[in-house]
Formats: sequence, structure tokens, C-alpha cells
Amino acid sequence: DTEVTQTPKHLVMGMTNKKSLKCEQHMGHRAMYWYKQKAKKPPELMFVYSYEKLSINESVPSRFSPECPNSSLLNLHLHALQPEDSALYLCASSQSDYSYEQYFGPGTRLTVT
Amino acid sequence: TQLLEQSPQFLSIQEGENLTVYCNSSSVFSSLQWYRQEPGEGPVLLVTVVTGGEVKKLKRLTFQFGDARKDSSLHITAAQPGDTGLYLCAGGAGTASKLTFGTGTRLQVTL
Repeated sequence: DTEVTQTPKHLVMGMTNKKSLKCEQHMGHRAMYWYKQKAKKPPELMFVYSYEKLSINESVPSRFSPECPNSSLLNLHLHALQPEDSALYLCASSQSDYSYEQYFGPGTRLTVT
Repeated sequence: TQLLEQSPQFLSIQEGENLTVYCNSSSVFSSLQWYRQEPGEGPVLLVTVVTGGEVKKLKRLTFQFGDARKDSSLHITAAQPGDTGLYLCAGGAGTASKLTFGTGTRLQVTL
């Protein structure tokens, strides 16, 4: 089973709202990722967690706050977003951060109004 | 900075035709992945190639890694409408967790 699940599928939020995106995998993978993808562009890496610790932050604005409560779960907390943050947010996982094979979830389509 | 250029950017063909998508770089990669992404969905991993000159087949799809591990190709035989989507190559080198994604090839297969 190579399934990564994400909730919600769609999210509309105002610029003053606080919301969270959730990601879950049960493959025993120890590395998890958040990506942002704009229309017709490849995914852009935001954060990497390895063994539940944040290992890479690609200079993402602090209005995005990741959290890894355990090895199966990954959250992305959103606060005071801008309209330009509207995008498809993808979660991915891999066996470890030494593994190149990443498995993606279906994404959350975020619209900031 | 590692870059992966894909060509063509967009391809519209009829069912039954053959096609090849290219993924090129001036950098050497330890491995290269190919993904297919449908609109509004996440990329789905199709294959990983790690050895220079390696060829892998997945039904009607044939993937090749260049001898120097700087480029790759994806060949589809007898394309079907279900092959429609965005094809992304992604290379890994050094820090495995940081993949370099290609620029993408959007394929449309019509009846």
C-alpha cells in the first residue's frame, strides 16, 4: 500500500483565518514533506521532516507552520495567508530522507480570499 | 543550481500514436523518478531509474536513464486517453530529500 491521505480536499479561507492541513501515511515511512504547487508548475519543496524532526525549511514564511505529531501524521498550520498563497498543497513521504522515492498524497486545493 | 528541462512542454496526439518525452540536465543525478499527475491530484510515481543506461518498462511505457545519468526519456507506445496528464521527471542527488523537478510535459491524448 503506497497511500498518503490528505484532508481536506478543498479549503477556502480568508486572510485572517487560521486553518490546518492534515496528512497521514501508514507505510512506516520516516520522512515526510510539504510541497506547494502553482498551476502548470512543478511542486516546490517547503518542509522536510525526518524521524519527526524538522530537517529542512526552504525559507518558508512564518505564516506556514508545520508540525509532525508522530511518525504517521504531518500537519501544516496556516495563519494570515495572502491571496498569492492559493495553490495545491501536497504532502509526500519516503522511507527515509536517504530515499529518493517520494509518494504523494492527492493534495489540498487552497484558495485564500 | 541543478535544472531539469523537459521537452516538449505540451503534446497533443491522437489515440494510438507513439511519443517520447525528454528530461535533460547538465548535472549528474544519483536517481531519476518519473511521475504522472492528473489535474487537481498529486503526482503518482511511475518508475525510478538509478543505473546509467538502465531501461525499465511499465506496460506501454518505456523509461531510459542516460549513460552519464544526466538525462532520461519516457516513450509511450500506442497512447490512450488514460495516458493524459502532466508528466514530471525528478532527479535526486546529494541530499536525497531534495528532489529537483523537471519543468513538466503536458500530454493530451484524444480519441
